[in-house]
Amino acid sequence: QQQVKQSPQSLIVQKGGISIINCAYENTAFDYFPWYQQFPGKGPALLIAIRPDVSEKKEGRFTISFNKSAKQFSLHIMDSQPGDSATYFCAASRKGGGATNKLIFGTGTLLAVQP
Amino acid sequence: NAGVMQNPRHLVRRRGQEARLRCSPMKGHSHVYWYRQLPEEGLKFMVYLQKENIIDESGMPKERFSAEFPKEGPSILRIQQVVRGDSAAYFCASSPFTTSGSYEQYFGPGTRLTVT
Repeated sequence: QQQVKQSPQSLIVQKGGISIINCAYENTAFDYFPWYQQFPGKGPALLIAIRPDVSEKKEGRFTISFNKSAKQFSLHIMDSQPGDSATYFCAASRKGGGATNKLIFGTGTLLAVQP
Repeated sequence: NAGVMQNPRHLVRRRGQEARLRCSPMKGHSHVYWYRQLPEEGLKFMVYLQKENIIDESGMPKERFSAEFPKEGPSILRIQQVVRGDSAAYFCASSPFTTSGSYEQYFGPGTRLTVT
């Protein structure tokens, strides 16, 4: 019940295309859903995050879509660029009710944007 | 505004030695989380600390691992008698404390531990 399932494991997109990464969770108590971007040899960088009271959040070329009833959320990268090539992790956490906000991560998606 | 700092960035230890990993949170942040990333895997939660308190250590192995966050100085993750299976990247993340309940965690660059 603590798992977050992420797909696909890897993704190849042409420059200018849309990259879509999906995540699903089981624990309905989760109340925070961030996405992180990680380049080789670096730490994860917070990209964008959403709370379950909204269905979509957009920041620049990055959009999170959230479907509470399906317990799924996804990251869309519009106009994908070679510089977006990295590993992307979804995560979920719970802070209310005495929980500690520890992040439960998906297994990651390796994105390659071809020029 | 400095980010989360971790040192050393790379650490090589022989089996049986001790490893000490340090994390200085972002200025103004009083919450620290440690995560471990095994090769080709995602990040796994280990422990959550506030100043002078361990709040949640549910992800810590029962033996050889310990963590602290003293009143002064960095948070330290200590691994005693390291084994090859401890080879991984160890990341800390810091989070601010706000009355509204801030959720964001900001990660450091990590310490890559290699056990030979």
